[in-house]
Amino acid sequence: NFMLTQPHSVSESPGKTVTISCTRSSGSIVSNYIQWFQQRPGRSPATVIYEDNRRPSGVPNRFSGSIDRSSNSASLTISGLRTEDEADYYCQSSGSNSWVFGGGTKLTVL
Amino acid sequence: QVQLVQSGPEVKLPGASVKVSCKASGYSFTSYGMNWVRQVPGQGLEWMGWISPNTGDTRFAQRFQDTVTMTADTSTSTAYMEMRRLTFDDTAVYYCVRGWLGPNPWGQGTLVTVSS
Repeated sequence: NFMLTQPHSVSESPGKTVTISCTRSSGSIVSNYIQWFQQRPGRSPATVIYEDNRRPSGVPNRFSGSIDRSSNSASLTISGLRTEDEADYYCQSSGSNSWVFGGGTKLTVL
Repeated sequence: QVQLVQSGPEVKLPGASVKVSCKASGYSFTSYGMNWVRQVPGQGLEWMGWISPNTGDTRFAQRFQDTVTMTADTSTSTAYMEMRRLTFDDTAVYYCVRGWLGPNPWGQGTLVTVSS
């Protein structure tokens, strides 16, 4: 199976834009959809992006997802950062009959 | 709205078994598979396996194939995950998560503590 690699942590100021990457180790990034989950402290994860770039109802359009074939990676971009966006973010994709998670990225909004 | 409500926290001795439930509502239970994901305190998410409530088919991560059973009761729209031969390393929060593709609603999590 492949691995998904994320930066351990990122930080940015309120109102700014941040991008979190998720790089697939083998096989094409476009072979399977990418999901992004947000996990606030002490809470269950929640979907913020599914099928590469779709937002569930209720997720603000400040959250967007994209795919870059050249770097074999996916990205989650959050614009107009708010303190409530401070959380762990995980990318996820499907392998051969399994789910694969990235290691998670801790976003600090300071 | 879609809801996944899990059973309460458990404390188990090493070597014991635990069975966690996940009651689904707000959608057709047999139309979506159910995943189980665990999170050791302070660590990331780990996929354990998946069950189709419609057919009973299952898929497992290799490390859980011998110790985990997943079942689903369509009469009560409840999925179950049973783990046997618990060790201290199995102390974690266990989540049920609907569907192979997103969006994926998550249960609130069940803390299983393995302690002597």
